[in-house]
Amino acid sequence: GDSVTQMEGPVTLSEEAFLTINCTYTATGYPSLFWYVQYPGEGLQLLLKATKADDKGSNKGFEATYRKETTSFHLEKGSVQVSDSAVYFCALKGWTGRRALTFGSGTRLQVQP
Amino acid sequence: GAVVSQHPSWVICKSGTSVKIECRSLDFQATTMFWYRQFPKQSLMLMATSNEGSKATYEQGVEKDKFLINHASLTLSTLTVTSAHPEDSSFYICSARPGLAGEYEQYFGPGTRLTVT
Repeated sequence: GDSVTQMEGPVTLSEEAFLTINCTYTATGYPSLFWYVQYPGEGLQLLLKATKADDKGSNKGFEATYRKETTSFHLEKGSVQVSDSAVYFCALKGWTGRRALTFGSGTRLQVQP
Repeated sequence: GAVVSQHPSWVICKSGTSVKIECRSLDFQATTMFWYRQFPKQSLMLMATSNEGSKATYEQGVEKDKFLINHASLTLSTLTVTSAHPEDSSFYICSARPGLAGEYEQYFGPGTRLTVT
């Protein structure tokens, strides 16, 4: 079945550092890929998405490119801020008709001033 | 943006009792709601999908008689954990999908932490 693997955290960075959170997936066909963010005390929010190979999703300075050849969707940001501290989840929606998402285990990011 | 609330945010109950968790879409109508369960440092695992006015569809391995789901209106779904045991202690998260939205729109509640003693 479908699965998502993302790097374990916590990831601790200083403000303005470069961020990469790795995400790889296993799925049949052509899944859609997502990054969700969960700020303390809040629900998961969609950060960005990509629906086909080579698509780049971007939002709030974050980017991720759908790489089918490496089955990856790594999240990157050039300069993180303290306000980016949160838990980040990589997820996929399979190619079959199922509308639910398959999630990775989440990566906690801590940005220090 | 669309908001989904969950109540309670945390609950402690004794083994053998039942607990009801509510999931509400506050500013939109949700034809579909999903219930997930999350163990510490693990993925969100889909438990069931509920559609308003019909029976929930449970994932393989999830006991439908233990985890009762009711989606009685377009803004409310409830998850009842019956005869709870310590192994049911977990973080339960719901999400709601607007009826007329694009395929990717799914809004998440903040979660409910259940501790069974």
